[in-house]
Amino acid sequence: RKEVEQDPGPFNVPEGATVAFNCTYSNSASQSFFWYRQDCRKEPKLLMSVYSSGNEDGRFTAQLNRASQYISLLIRDSKLSDSATYLCVVRMDSSYKLIFGSGTRLLVRP
Amino acid sequence: EAGVTQFPSHSVIEKGQTVTLRCDPISGHDNLYWYRRVMGKEIKFLLHFVKESKQDESGMPNNRFLAERTGGTYSTLKVQPAELEDSGVYFCASSQSQGAGEKLFFGSGTQLSVL
Repeated sequence: RKEVEQDPGPFNVPEGATVAFNCTYSNSASQSFFWYRQDCRKEPKLLMSVYSSGNEDGRFTAQLNRASQYISLLIRDSKLSDSATYLCVVRMDSSYKLIFGSGTRLLVRP
Repeated sequence: EAGVTQFPSHSVIEKGQTVTLRCDPISGHDNLYWYRRVMGKEIKFLLHFVKESKQDESGMPNNRFLAERTGGTYSTLKVQPAELEDSGVYFCASSQSQGAGEKLFFGSGTQLSVL
């Protein structure tokens, strides 16, 4: 079983749509959680950290459910520029290495 | 300010040859990480330097891989001899501190193709 599981997609949505991605992690010792965005043939870039109380950054909302060990990302009012692969990432305090999911691909069409 | 830079951006070599990848972290970043993504798989951790010391090398696949960071500045990752399964994208990242929420900055990666 992978440490971080994501639906690979692709999610194909029209501009303006709301789309949600979920991610599950297997290690209950995980302490830090992130969503990264990766464009085709580019490096991953931090989109947002995920906090226990949930957090919002513009059109993006991240939620964490520790009891169920899942993380979500909600994108409202999708833009064409949101098309990318979204990577769910966790880290345990005992180690500073990041553990990546395989990513969920989002395609936003006109 | 310059970001994390990696060289070369692409490398095509034959099985059995040696390749050396270089990473220049952001100036002042003590922490340097190597990650790798092989085709169809997730990005995986290789190792972590704090200044010139290897903090964690648990992700290094085998002894054909050697990473160095002499002087605590740039780092090199040597693969010798390269095998077909070493093909993938090698990312370097750096961060200023080791806090749990510390942001990592990634380089654009080196695409390695072993033929």
